[in-house]
Amino acid sequence: SQQGEEDPQALSIQEGENATMNCSYKTSINNLQWYRQNSGRGLVHLILIRSNEREKHSGRLRVTLDTSKKSSSLLITASRAADTASYFCATDSSYYGGYQKVTFGIGTKLQVIP
Amino acid sequence: EPEVTQTPSHQVTQMGQEVILRCVPISNHLYFYWYRQILGQKVEFLVSFYNNEISEKSEIFDDQFSVERPDGSNFTLKIRSTKLEDSAMYFCASSDGGAWETQYFGPGTRLLVL
Repeated sequence: SQQGEEDPQALSIQEGENATMNCSYKTSINNLQWYRQNSGRGLVHLILIRSNEREKHSGRLRVTLDTSKKSSSLLITASRAADTASYFCATDSSYYGGYQKVTFGIGTKLQVIP
Repeated sequence: EPEVTQTPSHQVTQMGQEVILRCVPISNHLYFYWYRQILGQKVEFLVSFYNNEISEKSEIFDDQFSVERPDGSNFTLKIRSTKLEDSAMYFCASSDGGAWETQYFGPGTRLLVL
């Protein structure tokens, strides 16, 4: 079984629409992070949500976390062509006080059509 | 804003050669990581490093790999005898806390083994 599986694997929307990506995981976590990766480039950290948080906002981003369902969603509102990228969730399930080991999902490829 | 930097951005090497990938983590960070991403696949954890020693490593991180913090600013990943399957993007990351905290990633080094 794989930790941090995103769906859909690919998403194509028109500029101005909202994009929702989901992430499911299997083991309990300390936190969950969302990253963006433009084609062939580095990973840009978007938002971290801790296991005791349910929702977090950052600009046009809204992340929710449902630990009972072991799932998270990333909503990008009013999408722009520049949002075109792959989006990954990454879970940290290391023991408290231990060293972080982040596990990435396979990602959602988002295409925003101008 | 402080960022993680990596050099070189691209490296081409012959199978069996040694390569050293370099990273400069964010200056006040204490936890350092290496990940890799084979083309089209998910980002995979290789190793975490704290207090001048490896804190955790994955099964990928075998005897061919080593990490070092040779001075106060650099963090290196050495692959002793490269194989074709080592071709990947290698990402360095750092954080100012262990578990629970955000990891900031560098732009990556694309390694091609011929």
